[in-house]
Amino acid sequence: ELKVEQNPLFLSMQEGKNYTIYCNYSTTSDRLYWYRQDPGKSLESLFVLLSNGAVKQEGRLMASLDTKARLSTLHITAAVHDLSATYFCAGDYNQGGKLIFGQGTELSVKP
Amino acid sequence: EPEVTQTPSHQVTQMGQEVILRCVPISNHLYFYWYRQILGQKVEFLVSFYNNEISEKSEIFDDQFSVERPDGSNFTLKIRSTKLEDSAMYFCASSQQGLQYFGPGTRLTVT
Repeated sequence: ELKVEQNPLFLSMQEGKNYTIYCNYSTTSDRLYWYRQDPGKSLESLFVLLSNGAVKQEGRLMASLDTKARLSTLHITAAVHDLSATYFCAGDYNQGGKLIFGQGTELSVKP
Repeated sequence: EPEVTQTPSHQVTQMGQEVILRCVPISNHLYFYWYRQILGQKVEFLVSFYNNEISEKSEIFDDQFSVERPDGSNFTLKIRSTKLEDSAMYFCASSQQGLQYFGPGTRLTVT
């Protein structure tokens, strides 16, 4: 059974700093997803990573996938307060299959 | 932009009562899912539905739970006899094949 683990679980950052969230998964996953969740809200899709070496960027967020290491990273560049949220990575076995989520990383960006 | 909708946004019920949570997936999507998130915890898969039948279900999805697609648009989750531990946020999601789009969620409170 696929297991997905994130670290850190809590991250307090200062505005302007860089940091990386790590997502390890235990077995082969077809795809790796990153979602953002604001408090009390739904999950917003950020990135879908399909293959080894995939890198995607949107604004201050960049996600990458290393299937050999079973590792995905979400890198935050020059953090701003608006990025404060909980970030989840999730893997799936096959197209149309269930998502297995990590525990989430609660990010707080302070001025 | 098409989106997944859910009703109600908040449901309060007494232990032992039946509840039905409703979802309208994105219209051309083929795969439908229910997930739940207990407050402060990670998102957990409950069930997936494709071609008018359950394709996969988790251990959480016991005999108290059922899903239905009663017409061409709605997708429902029924909990027959609610327990205190069913209190959670329930998310519906849908996909073509791959990226899952999540609804805003229904907060279920069992008292």
